[in-house]
Amino acid sequence: SQQGEEDPQALSIQEGENATMNCSYKTSINNLQWYRQNSGRGLVHLILIRSNEREKHSGRLRVTLDTSKKSSSLLITASRAADTASYFCATDHFTSGTYKYIFGTGTRLKVLA
Amino acid sequence: DSGVTQTPKHLITATGQRVTLRCSPRSGDLSVYWYQQSLDQGLQFLIQYYNGEERAKGNILERFSAQQFPDLHSELNLSSLELGDSALYFCASSPGGKSYNEQFFGPGTRLTVL
Repeated sequence: SQQGEEDPQALSIQEGENATMNCSYKTSINNLQWYRQNSGRGLVHLILIRSNEREKHSGRLRVTLDTSKKSSSLLITASRAADTASYFCATDHFTSGTYKYIFGTGTRLKVLA
Repeated sequence: DSGVTQTPKHLITATGQRVTLRCSPRSGDLSVYWYQQSLDQGLQFLIQYYNGEERAKGNILERFSAQQFPDLHSELNLSSLELGDSALYFCASSPGGKSYNEQFFGPGTRLTVL
């Protein structure tokens, strides 16, 4: 079963607005990463935040991590039509002697020009 | 273009059959990961190899197997195929084997089981 749940499932905004997506997970993690996927294509890595970090920035992206609430958020500022895609959070944790990578259910973002 | 290549792009086969999906990682990357993406299950991690050795294992069925060869390319073998195996199969690669390594995804192989 999926550990990550993302909220909202779908989001539609106007170009120039900010988009916020949330991710919740169930077990303790080592790292959390955000990926973008254009329809039917491979995922593209956006940003990684380690479990001991609380906030990270990369260009128009801002990621926060709250390990006490087991949640993360991805903020895209000044959105563009090209940001239209699905966004996934991915966590990795060590269990039963091995690492597991678990992806969330994704948020479908549509940015209207 | 991530530099990761996957073949074939599309594959249509029948239930009960066996198929092999191929992945070539980015030049210099030692780790290869396999994922399955379907509408009902979402994106599921299957398995990771690092420099020829299995490094991490996810929700990979016993009917599925993978290996990484000395030239670092990898193959995912799916046997006794069922309708529910229809999905997009992604391969990703990373330079190292650590969980914090950024993964670079290939374009995927779309498998349709009829």
